[in-house]
This record gives sequence, C-alpha cells and structure tokens, in this order.
Amino acid sequence: KQEVTQIPAALSVPEGENLVLNCSFTDSAIYNLQWFRQDPGKGLTSLLLIQSSQREQTSGRLNASLDKSSGRSTLYIAASQPGDSATYLCAVKAGGTSYGKLTFGQGTILTVHP
Amino acid sequence: GAGVSQSPSNKVTEKGKDVELRCDPISGHTALYWYRQSLGQGLEFLIYFQGNSAPDKSGLPSDRFSAERTGGSVSTLTIQRTQQEDSAVYLCASSSGLRIGTDTQYFGPGTRLTVL
Repeated sequence: KQEVTQIPAALSVPEGENLVLNCSFTDSAIYNLQWFRQDPGKGLTSLLLIQSSQREQTSGRLNASLDKSSGRSTLYIAASQPGDSATYLCAVKAGGTSYGKLTFGQGTILTVHP
Repeated sequence: GAGVSQSPSNKVTEKGKDVELRCDPISGHTALYWYRQSLGQGLEFLIYFQGNSAPDKSGLPSDRFSAERTGGSVSTLTIQRTQQEDSAVYLCASSSGLRIGTDTQYFGPGTRLTVL
C-alpha cells in the first residue's frame, strides 16, 4: 500500500526566506507526483505536476524535484511571501491499475510572516 | 471556464439521517473522483468514475456510502444513516481522463458535512 509522508508538519518563516518542503513515498511505481496548495476552507489548487520520467518542474518561484528511485520529492519556494501561507500537499498517482487515484500526504502548514 | 462546483457548501445533519452531496465537474471531463478530508485521516480517496461507470470503489468506507454519475457529468455521493465519524469535508475532482501520466485533477471547494 502506497504511503506518503510530508516533513515538516508545520513551518513558520519570515518573509523573503527560501524554503524546502519534503515529501516521501513508499512505492516508486508511480505515474506522477503533484504538489497542491490548500487555503483554509477552500479546495485544492494544483501547483506542479512531475511525470515519473521527469526530474523537476518549475513555475515562477516554485521548483519541485522528483527522485523516483529513492521515493522523494521536494518543493522549493524562493523568496517567500505572506501570500504563500497555506497548507501544501504532496500526492502521488500510483501506477498499474490504480485508475489514477491520488494518495496524499498529511500536508505541511506554511506560515510566512511579514 | 467554470471549474468544479459542489453543493451544498455546508451541510449539518442529525445522526441517522441520509445526505446527498453533489458534484458538477468541468465540462468535458470524463474522469471524476471523490475524496474525503478529515482531521484524523487526512485526504482519502473514495471512488473513481470514468464516464458513468465506477471501476474503482475501493475507498468507500462502508455500504452506507454510494455514488452515481449520470450523463457522464453530475455525480452524487449519498451517505445513508449518517454517523458522527462521517463528519468531514468531501471533495470532488475531475480530469480529462486522456493521459494518465499528465492528467491533472482539478478540485472543487468541497462540502463540509457535520453530523450531530
């Protein structure tokens, strides 16, 4: 059974800092890995999707890497801003006959203070 | 265009009552997923639809939970004889269903269910 773990559970940083969120998964047979953002009381917004054959993806100040063989991914946020405060979720789409369902980590609650 | 919508946004019910939660996916998306987000369990998969068929129901926690999809569009998740442990946010997502490796799931805002 696929298990996804995110570290740290919570992170508080001053504005302007660069930061790294970590995600690990137990089964490397995945189609892709996605990073989502969730604001309080809201749904999930997809930030980045890395296919299993890719090593990283970038969008603006966000960079996500994937090391499938070791079951790890990191989300790097550059020059953090208070608007980045949210819960960040990592999810993997398992291979085989999983029909594309996502398995999520517990999330990292990020607070960026001015 | 319009995103995934869900209704109601909040639902409070008494233990033992039945509830129906609705999801309107993005137009043209053939794949539809239901997930549940609760404090103790995080975000868990419930059921997957491809068109009107549900090839994966493995996440439904008990036979009190059922779901259907009609016309390849709207889906309804029904919980019968609700229990307090059913209290959670129920999220719906849809995707194009075309290429599993790059298929992004788009999530609705969720329905917050509270069972008293």
